[in-house]
Amino acid sequence: AQSVTQLDSHVSVSEGTPVLLRCNYSSSYSPSLFWYVQHPNKGLQLLLKYTSAATLVKGINGFEAEFKKSETSFHLTKPSAHMSDAAEYFCVVSDLRGTDSWGKLQFGAGTQVVVTP
Amino acid sequence: DTGVSQDPRHKITKRGQNVTFRCDPISEHNRLYWYRQTLGQGPEFLTYFQNEAQLEKSRLLSDRFSAERPKGSFSTLEIQRTEQGDSAMYLCASSSPYEQFFGPGTRLTVL
Repeated sequence: AQSVTQLDSHVSVSEGTPVLLRCNYSSSYSPSLFWYVQHPNKGLQLLLKYTSAATLVKGINGFEAEFKKSETSFHLTKPSAHMSDAAEYFCVVSDLRGTDSWGKLQFGAGTQVVVTP
Repeated sequence: DTGVSQDPRHKITKRGQNVTFRCDPISEHNRLYWYRQTLGQGPEFLTYFQNEAQLEKSRLLSDRFSAERPKGSFSTLEIQRTEQGDSAMYLCASSSPYEQFFGPGTRLTVL
């Protein structure tokens, strides 16, 4: 069974300061890992994905995440927060392509990010 | 806009009524997924289709829930005899081999 744990339910940062959202995963296989963002009253948007290629993954809007197998972590970072980054962020795990259950996503509970001026 | 549409966007119903939601995926995508998201939680997998075949159903999908994808195109999710615990956002996702694209969701409120 696979799962993800988002270590912080809420993160508050000042505009212009770094953002760190922590995620640990558990998987029987080498997983695919994703970060999704959900703005209020809007749909889920893919920020970035890891699928067994480079361990440092760059995504949209200046976000990046590093896959660390030894620590079973996939933390999301951004060097400088913007007001528009205020949203809920989900760490997600899935089986790799080629397995029968690829594409079925297991979401974490989410981290609410608040950005203060 | 991801190219995935869901209808209706909002549904308010009384306990015991039946409701049906529709999802129109990206036309060339074979896989279609349904998820449910309750307040303060991440989406949870309900079921998925490969073309018209329903390949897996979550334990969350009680007998009151049924999903179809006739001809491998749009999909419907029906809830019979709704309960207040069914109140949630129901999300549909259309999947390429590389990425899932989510629709805007249908927010169900059961009074």
